[in-house]
Amino acid sequence: AQSVSQHNHHVILSEAASLELGCNYSYGGTVNLFWYVQYPGQHLQLLLKYFSGDPLVKGIKGFEAEFIKSKFSFNLRKPSVQWSDTAEYFCAVNQGKLIFGQGTTLQVKP
Amino acid sequence: IAGITQAPTSQILAAGRRMTLRCTQDMRHNAMYWYRQDLGLGLRLIHYSNTAGTTGKGEVPDGYSVSRANTDDFPLTLASAVPSQTSVYFCASSLLAGQGNEQFFGPGTRLTVL
Repeated sequence: AQSVSQHNHHVILSEAASLELGCNYSYGGTVNLFWYVQYPGQHLQLLLKYFSGDPLVKGIKGFEAEFIKSKFSFNLRKPSVQWSDTAEYFCAVNQGKLIFGQGTTLQVKP
Repeated sequence: IAGITQAPTSQILAAGRRMTLRCTQDMRHNAMYWYRQDLGLGLRLIHYSNTAGTTGKGEVPDGYSVSRANTDDFPLTLASAVPSQTSVYFCASSLLAGQGNEQFFGPGTRLTVL
């Protein structure tokens, strides 16, 4: 069965530090990839998505993700985090149905 | 305001009681979904509906039922709640079912079963 793995469960960074959150998926065929963010007390919002084309995808709030097919990865990055980025981040693969990773809690210290 | 609404926002329920979580969307999306979110497990699909009048089982359907009588509404029913159903429940929708469709999420219902 398709699975999504997020390597970091809890990340703590200081403001202005760089961020990279890992995401690997198991399916070898065509996939659509997503990163969702859930700010404290709020619902999930789409951060960015990859369907095809340029493997480097830019999303909202300065986030980007790179699709590396050979590594089955779709890691999320941000060069300089802010306190307001404190949230839970979910990687997801859509292969007909959306399969989520376990989530990564990011805490940014001011 | 366009989007997805869920009710109630939160609920405490005695084990064995019946409970229906409501979900309504006004985006005329064809597909709707129910997920539960549990710490360390991410979101898991309970049931889905690709179009009005059809439903299907997701990853964790046991103990839950759904109906899709019309495009806008997709209620989730717990026939006899158990403590393991304590969770946060999210309803979502997408314009169409299938791989390339972005899902939009509701604000969630926090359910506690005692």
